[in-house]
Amino acid sequence: SQTIHQWPATLVQPVGSPLSLECTVEGTSNPNLYWYRQAAGRGLQLLFYSVGIGQISSEVPQNLSASRPQDRQFILSSKKLLLSDSGFYLCAGGDNTEAFFGQGTRLTVV
Amino acid sequence: GQQLNQSPQSMFIQEGEDVSMNCTSSSIFNTWLWYKQEPGEGPVLLIALYKAGELTSNGRLTAQFGITRKDSFLNISASIPSDVGIYFCAGLPYNNNDMRFGAGTRLTVKP
Repeated sequence: SQTIHQWPATLVQPVGSPLSLECTVEGTSNPNLYWYRQAAGRGLQLLFYSVGIGQISSEVPQNLSASRPQDRQFILSSKKLLLSDSGFYLCAGGDNTEAFFGQGTRLTVV
Repeated sequence: GQQLNQSPQSMFIQEGEDVSMNCTSSSIFNTWLWYKQEPGEGPVLLIALYKAGELTSNGRLTAQFGITRKDSFLNISASIPSDVGIYFCAGLPYNNNDMRFGAGTRLTVKP
């Protein structure tokens, strides 16, 4: 079965600083990869998804970007963080039948 | 993109009671997934459904893929305190990898 590795688990960053969150997948090849953001006590907002290397679909205009430099690597980035970027970020990977999540990164922008 | 309507938003029940929650969509889905999320962790896949009308169980959990392919429900029988968490439905459209989630059902079980 596939495993999603996501790090770091928690991150505190100042406003205006850059961001890089990494997600890697084990146990499968050519997965669909997703980045979600979850506000406290709320649902999952799809930010980006990717069906292959270099292929990124963005769901909402925002201060974030994503890249997929390798088949099983998905990176979420920002050049300058905003206070509103705080939240719980989740990476997921799967195929057309199921998807599994990483443990999440709690980002606090101060 | 497609929107999933999940209800109820929250439930407060007594230990031993049964629970039912559902998701509906205006669009057809090829796959329905149900997840449980505990505080500070990523969602964990509970049940996956692939065919209209399919009924699948996982222990005390039972989920069904609606005949119209636009809805799904999850039942939990004889709830216990460790069932506490947020339950999410998710849908995968046919020939599309745009996985969407419902807003979640927050379950509280009183001993």
